[in-house]
Amino acid sequence: QLQLQESGPRLVKPSETLSLTCTVSVGSISSRAYYWGWIRQPPGEGLEWIGSIYYNGDTWYSPSLQSRATLSIVTSKNQFSLNLMSLTAADTAVYFCARAGLSGWPPRVFDYWAQGTLVTVSS
Amino acid sequence: ILLTQSPGTLSFSPGERATLSCRASQIISNNYVAWYQQKPGQAPRLLIFAASTRATGIPDRFGGSGSGTDFTLTVSRLEPEDFAVYYCQQYGTSPVTFGGGTKVEIK
Repeated sequence: QLQLQESGPRLVKPSETLSLTCTVSVGSISSRAYYWGWIRQPPGEGLEWIGSIYYNGDTWYSPSLQSRATLSIVTSKNQFSLNLMSLTAADTAVYFCARAGLSGWPPRVFDYWAQGTLVTVSS
Repeated sequence: ILLTQSPGTLSFSPGERATLSCRASQIISNNYVAWYQQKPGQAPRLLIFAASTRATGIPDRFGGSGSGTDFTLTVSRLEPEDFAVYYCQQYGTSPVTFGGGTKVEIK
């Protein structure tokens, strides 16, 4: 069954850039049927979609984060990544990568998720 | 689109029927609503998409319904493992948005 695993720092300083990578296994990131997305969840709060990317590099972002977020994909490594710049304490959250498929186009239902990585923004 | 899930917490005994509400600030096109279950320290788990279609492997005690601006997740008979937080999501209009969640706790 498809598996996703995030990697990256757990502690980042204010004003710096967060870089997270999601590695997909037991499945291909080059499938034309799916997008790949990032969602975050501040401690004790709800879910916020950050953005999604297609195998060919097409991206779309939440308007609230578009100015600071950049998604990229490396199909040869079965990986996609999130860069989030100009961090503040409000960016402290669990960051999830996930596969988007099943319904709508571009697909926006997240059917496989990684376990999540808590990223703390603090000096 | 703003999604409102109220109340924030519901209390039930195992075996009871649970009905969770998700109300949208405007009509959701194509009834593109999904429901997720999240347990502490875990990622969300997809239950329902397109308002009423169960995801693969989801027990049939979970059901979704609704249209327009009002959607419902029903758990016909609560099992001990069903006590968790449930989120609705709309994906009919960009950007994707999630509701604030309803916690289903044991009475």
